[in-house]
Amino acid sequence: KNQVEQSPQSLIILEGKNCTLQCNYTVSPFSNLRWYKQDTGRGPVSLTIMTFSENTKSNGRYTATLDADTKQSSLHITASQLSDSASYICVVNLNDYKLSFGAGTTVTVRA
Amino acid sequence: SAVISQKPSRDICQRGTSLTIQCQVDSQVTMMFWYRQQPGQSLTLIATANQGSEATYESGFVIDKFPISRPNLTFSTLTVSNMSPEDSSIYLCSVEWGDGYTFGSGTRLTVV
Repeated sequence: KNQVEQSPQSLIILEGKNCTLQCNYTVSPFSNLRWYKQDTGRGPVSLTIMTFSENTKSNGRYTATLDADTKQSSLHITASQLSDSASYICVVNLNDYKLSFGAGTTVTVRA
Repeated sequence: SAVISQKPSRDICQRGTSLTIQCQVDSQVTMMFWYRQQPGQSLTLIATANQGSEATYESGFVIDKFPISRPNLTFSTLTVSNMSPEDSSIYLCSVEWGDGYTFGSGTRLTVV
């Protein structure tokens, strides 16, 4: 069983709307939790990084939250744009270079 | 952040053949990582490559199938040997940089 589970697997939203992606993890403790954006045909690009003690981190229209008690993280996209269409991957940094990846949520933004 | 040039970006190969994927980094890095991303699944670490030593492979991956070279601090190659359709995946290299990880753009491999 994967240590990092993401939901939903995919979603479609209209341009300008908001959406929230979920990440549940079982590993603990960990160094940090990251959210990546992966455009089709590209490698993942970092959006946010949060340490174990942080609750929220923003990067423009992207806001990530972390609840260490419930072992959940979320990524909120505000006022979505067509360029937000991508796969969003939750990654837990166990230690050193050991990363545990979620399978990703594919977001499609439609005009 | 570090910039990684990965090639080829995609290839279609015949079963039984081998493909070598290259990653060039614009900065010197100690460790380089090779991942496989199968359709609809998460990234899986294949191996970690340090310059001047043999790569360290994760469980389920062996050197005979995925030989890796790391001749200097800016370059690495991953070879997928004796390919079968099950090897069809996206392969990515990555380096640790700053407080994060930078990934190559990936190689989409299709084995027919």
